Amino acid sequence: AQSVAQPEDQVNVAEGNPLTVKCTYSVSGNPYLFWYVQYPNRGLQFLLKYITGDNLVKGSYGFEAEFNKSQTSFHLKKPSALVSDSALYFCAVSPYGVMYSGGGADGLTFGKGTHLIIQP
Amino acid sequence: EAGVAQSPRYKIIEKRQSVAFWCNPISGHATLYWYQQILGQGPKLLIQFQNNGVVDDSQLPKDRFSAERLKGVDSTLKIQPAKLEDSAVYLCASSLRDRRFQETQYFGPGTRLLVL
Repeated sequence: AQSVAQPEDQVNVAEGNPLTVKCTYSVSGNPYLFWYVQYPNRGLQFLLKYITGDNLVKGSYGFEAEFNKSQTSFHLKKPSALVSDSALYFCAVSPYGVMYSGGGADGLTFGKGTHLIIQP
Repeated sequence: EAGVAQSPRYKIIEKRQSVAFWCNPISGHATLYWYQQILGQGPKLLIQFQNNGVVDDSQLPKDRFSAERLKGVDSTLKIQPAKLEDSAVYLCASSLRDRRFQETQYFGPGTRLLVL
């Protein structure tokens, strides 16, 4: 069974500084990894995903994430934080690490989330 | 392109009552998911449909939860009877699943359920 750990309940960063939200995973085979963001009273918004290829994945709103297979990590990063980045961030893993022909179960397993607070 | 639609947005019921949630996925999306998000936790998959067939319902509490997607488009999730621990946000998501790779899941705004 796969699992995701987000070790920090909350991350505080000053506006304009770089930010990192940590995520580690456990899955059989090669992972498919995702980051989602959740604003108050709203659903999850997709930020980016790693499937294969370049270890540095670029996503929406200037976010990027670095896949590190040896450390089983997929940390979310942004070079310069904005106050509007303040939200709840979720890392997720899919059970499929290889291409499949479709029809299989691929519900995501999520971490517990990290509150990101950007201070003006 | 319209996103995933869910209704109602909020629902308050008493324990042992029944409740139903509705989801309309993004047009053309063959796969539909229901997740339960309890306060302070990440979403947990309840059930996955591919068109109108169930792919995975291993985490669905079948003694009280049921879901259907009769025509392969809209879906309904029902709880009967509700318990206090069912208080959560119920999220619906959809994805294309017409290719070999894992497709991105897009989420609706959720239905917030409070059981008193």
